[in-house]
Amino acid sequence: NAGVTQTPKFQVLKTGQSMTLQCAQDMNHNSMYWYRQDPGMGLRLIYYSASEGTTDKGEVPNGYNVSRLNKREFSLRLESAAPSQTSVYFCASSERRSHYSYEQYFGPGTRLTVT
Amino acid sequence: AQTVTQSQPEMSVQEAETVTLSCTYDTSENNYYLFWYKQPPSRQMILVIRQEAYKQQNATENRFSVNFQKAAKSFSLKISDSQLGDTAMYFCAFKHTGANSKLTFGKGITLSVRP
Repeated sequence: NAGVTQTPKFQVLKTGQSMTLQCAQDMNHNSMYWYRQDPGMGLRLIYYSASEGTTDKGEVPNGYNVSRLNKREFSLRLESAAPSQTSVYFCASSERRSHYSYEQYFGPGTRLTVT
Repeated sequence: AQTVTQSQPEMSVQEAETVTLSCTYDTSENNYYLFWYKQPPSRQMILVIRQEAYKQQNATENRFSVNFQKAAKSFSLKISDSQLGDTAMYFCAFKHTGANSKLTFGKGITLSVRP
């Protein structure tokens, strides 16, 4: 099993450009998440999807959109990138029905720089 | 809303010694989960250990153990026999037991293991 995969691993954008970060998981998890990590801030939740067909805002959703394409895939889109969106982005998934484990499994991250 | 506080930004320990990383949290709920994640220089987020709030016994995973003080809302991580590979950022995280509740992270602590 590959677990959680993310593409691309690195990306440089100019202000105003758009892009989509891709995430896929092969663990048959219902829930998926997008976080951003900034120095001294820990991980902050951008959006999440509790199940296929549903998405909800997290702590810092402004400037982002998401799509839960199917149970495996959850993409994050930046419509008009801004320098404040320079960050490392992590996708994660978890199985919400598991009593013993609410742990989240993380992808390797995408380092995004907006100039 | 719950908060997670890691007040020490950095710590250093000699190889083979023991180190304790502190974490406190704030919640009005009685049932929840607590986690410690490790993020080495590779950036991958790795679950180190988890604790269910309803369990009085402290969780242990090989060289890693926790001191869970529910009344004090404290959840510290003890690393015994520190190894060079333990050098990483460590994040404390909190999650309510609700199916759609979200993971809240502390800001992290950078641990350096000296040879």
